[in-house]
Amino acid sequence: EVQLVESGGGLVKPGGSLRLSCAASGFDFSKDNMNWVRQAPGKGLEWLSSISGSGTFIFHADSVKGRFTISRDNAKNSLYLQLNSLRAEDTAVYYCARDVVTMAAHGNWGQGTLVTVSS
Amino acid sequence: SYVLTQPPSVSVAPGQTARITCGGDNIESESVHWYQQKPGQAPVLVVYDDTDRPSGIPERFSGSNSGNTATLTISRVEAGDEADYYCQVWDSSSHHVVFGGGTKLTVL
Repeated sequence: EVQLVESGGGLVKPGGSLRLSCAASGFDFSKDNMNWVRQAPGKGLEWLSSISGSGTFIFHADSVKGRFTISRDNAKNSLYLQLNSLRAEDTAVYYCARDVVTMAAHGNWGQGTLVTVSS
Repeated sequence: SYVLTQPPSVSVAPGQTARITCGGDNIESESVHWYQQKPGQAPVLVVYDDTDRPSGIPERFSGSNSGNTATLTISRVEAGDEADYYCQVWDSSSHHVVFGGGTKLTVL
C-alpha cells in the first residue's frame, strides 16, 4: 500500500524557516516524480514544487521561487521542502503528492501538515 | 502563465448528471487531470489524461477535452459526490503545474 506521511509543520513567526518532510513507502520512490502542493484555509489548491525521481529536474512556482526549495533523499525514501522567509500568506496545509502514470497526475497524496505563520 | 478557469459552483439533483468545466487557451492540446476533494481530506485523482480513470474510481466519472474547454462529467450523481473538484495541467512551456480555482459541487 502506498503511504505518504508529511511532518514538520507547526507555528512559526514571520521571517522564520521550517523544513517539511514526506516519508514514502509502498512503491519504488526513486522512480517517481514527487510534488508539494498547498492549500490555504478556505482556498484552492496551489502547486509549489516538483522534483524528478533522480532529483535532476526541479521546478518551483514563481510565488515561492527563491524562498522554498524541494529536495529528496532516495536512500531514505523521503521528500523535503525547505521553507524560508515565511510570510502570513504561507499559512496553509502542505501536501506531498506522487505522480502516477503520467506527468503531473498526482495519484497519491499524504494527509497534509499544517504550517501557521503568525507572530 | 497558463490559466485554468472553473465555475465556482455547480448544483445538481441526485441521479442527474453534473458537468464541471475547465477553460483554458487551446486546452485540448494539454492533458487534463481532475481531482475530488471532500472537506478535511486530501484530494483524490478521479480522471487523468483527459479521459482515463484510476483504478477504484467509478465509471460514473468521465472526462472530455475539446477546443478551449475540458469537462468532468459525473453521471447518476450521489450525495457522496458532493465535494470540491479541481482541474489541473502540466504547462510544458513554463514547466509549471497549474490548478484551476476549483468548483464546489452541491447535490440538492
